[in-house]
Amino acid sequence: NAGVTQTPKFQVLKTGQSMTLQCAQDMNHNSMYWYRQDPGMGLRLIYYSASEGTTDKGEVPNGYNVSRLNKREFSLRLESAAPSQTSVYFCASSGSGTTQYFGAGTRLSVL
Amino acid sequence: AQRVTQPEKLLSVFKGAPVELKCNYSYSGSPELFWYVQYSRQRLQLLLRHISRESIKGFTADLNKGETSFHLKKPFAQEEDSAMYYCALSGMDSSYKLIFGSGTRLLVRP
Repeated sequence: NAGVTQTPKFQVLKTGQSMTLQCAQDMNHNSMYWYRQDPGMGLRLIYYSASEGTTDKGEVPNGYNVSRLNKREFSLRLESAAPSQTSVYFCASSGSGTTQYFGAGTRLSVL
Repeated sequence: AQRVTQPEKLLSVFKGAPVELKCNYSYSGSPELFWYVQYSRQRLQLLLRHISRESIKGFTADLNKGETSFHLKKPFAQEEDSAMYYCALSGMDSSYKLIFGSGTRLLVRP
């Protein structure tokens, strides 16, 4: 009964390095989302995928790319990490309703 | 503009005291409103949604369209209620994406 699984849990990068955050859900949900959580700012939507094969920008997409690999998996890529991308990243999914189910998060530090 | 405002960063109360976490929103339409909670070292999870009109863990929230508010209330706070609380809205389009407030940390002291 995994729900939404994110990997890795922690990551430290140097400025300019690239990495991909992985997210998978086993609830057969159509929609998936990537958020970042920063102190005092709540969660802000980076990208989302309303259904398999589609992706759209959210509120803060600059510096990120996404891939909806299949219905289960939605990855977030940082091509050239910057210190401003230091944050906690959450993946979420939702089915036919509006309730979203969240992963445990990835804590990313960019030095 | 679509926005969710939670004016309090931190709310500290004693055990047994009433709690009200404030949430105001702006949205041109009829959104769905939610409260999500994040306990220490746990993932974000849904607490309640206005459509359900239910009480979860003693918490209730009433949508006031005139005041565009969705305040979260509990008559008697417990120590285990200490957590980060986020108000969120969904615009009911097909993406079901959420707009979150900045969150309120509730600290219930013994």
